[in-house]
Amino acid sequence: EVQLVESGGGLVQPGGSLRLSCAASGLTFSFHWMHWVRQVPGKGLVWVSRINGDGGSTNYADSVKGRFTISRDNAKNTLYLQMNSLRAEDTAVYYCAKAIVRNDMDVWGQGTTVTVSS
Amino acid sequence: QSVLTQPPSASGTPGQRVTISCSGSSSNIGSNNVYWYQQLPGTAPKLLIYKNDQRPSGVPDRFSGSKSGTSASLAISGLRSEDEADYYCAAWDDSLSGVFGGGTKLTVL
Repeated sequence: EVQLVESGGGLVQPGGSLRLSCAASGLTFSFHWMHWVRQVPGKGLVWVSRINGDGGSTNYADSVKGRFTISRDNAKNTLYLQMNSLRAEDTAVYYCAKAIVRNDMDVWGQGTTVTVSS
Repeated sequence: QSVLTQPPSASGTPGQRVTISCSGSSSNIGSNNVYWYQQLPGTAPKLLIYKNDQRPSGVPDRFSGSKSGTSASLAISGLRSEDEADYYCAAWDDSLSGVFGGGTKLTVL
């Protein structure tokens, strides 16, 4: 069974940094595009970033471009999201998701909560 | 404000057929595949439809998707109480970003 487990969320002050991790199991991790999606509780889903199988291709939402960096370690079956210069509006639950091909996210983690507040 | 437009709410009675619309533009729905996700309260989203009208294994055939031009629809037939959830459409945009609809809260009366 494919499983994704996020970690690394927490409380951070505005301007601070945080690194999220997503540990994958039950799949050939390097074969799959991976995504980060966030959701403010009670609000809708917002796409954040994606990365291809070998890590050579990445894309970002305009709202995080230049502040967030997506990466992966295929030897450790782990996806990362380095978040710098955090703002209050980055407060959300962050989900990692695996794609079937590229943008079709068929397996999601349980989410990790990031709170940006002083 | 979301790039893709969905009605904020929809409702139906058990056994009924309901449809949820999703409107976009030529740079997203008009030129890329549409996906639909179901999110039950307190849980992570679940892929319902991919490539406009394809169902992953395990998704009942009561759920169907369609796309025409810059719009897409999700239809749920034989509505059941367990279908009460939030539904989101999504697509890739040619600006190299993913886009979601604002979500539709489905109530089973």
